[in-house]
Amino acid sequence: DTEVTQTPKHLVMGMTNKKSLKCEQHMGHRAMYWYKQKAKKPPELMFVYSYEKLSINESVPSRFSPECPNSSLLNLHLHALQPEDSALYLCASSQAGTSGLNEQFFGPGTRLTVL
Amino acid sequence: KNQVEQSPQSLIILEGKNCTLQCNYTVSPFSNLRWYKQDTGRGPVSLTIMTFSENTKSNGRYTATLDADTKQSSLHITASQLSDSASYICVVSVKTNAGKSTFGDGTTLTVKP
Repeated sequence: DTEVTQTPKHLVMGMTNKKSLKCEQHMGHRAMYWYKQKAKKPPELMFVYSYEKLSINESVPSRFSPECPNSSLLNLHLHALQPEDSALYLCASSQAGTSGLNEQFFGPGTRLTVL
Repeated sequence: KNQVEQSPQSLIILEGKNCTLQCNYTVSPFSNLRWYKQDTGRGPVSLTIMTFSENTKSNGRYTATLDADTKQSSLHITASQLSDSASYICVVSVKTNAGKSTFGDGTTLTVKP
């Protein structure tokens, strides 16, 4: 299984709502990533988990809260978002450490709209 | 500062024609270079991945080259199809435990009938 799945595909939320994005992979990868992508721009790294521990937080506002419950799952909890947070949110996974190629496999993304 | 620059920014070609996309990088220490294809509104899909010692790698009609001395890579698409219309992103990784990568801005390819 070389697939990264993400749910939901689309999400519309108000600025006072609390919602969560979910990501799952069964490739045995121990590194998982969250990216934010605006239209016609490359993905921007938000968070990296390595062996279920947060290893990189790219100065992301606290209204985004990542969680890695186990080696296959990655969540992104959303609270009090702003309209400018509307974007495609991509999850990716890869082997961890420097011994592998760290090739990242991306999920299809969640299209988020904040009203 | 680690940078990846892609050219051209956009490209329009006729179906059946070939094209070449360019990627120049200043990432160090270099681990690998990957080319991704991204359809609008979808996640990137890996086309090729090359390490320092690899000069060329093919995936069907896609052929990537890497010159580690000049820090340049190219992606050549042969006999283009309408389904090749997408954004092509060059991504370079460094040799760190975090696997942090530097993304290029991408080249938007449009294939017309």
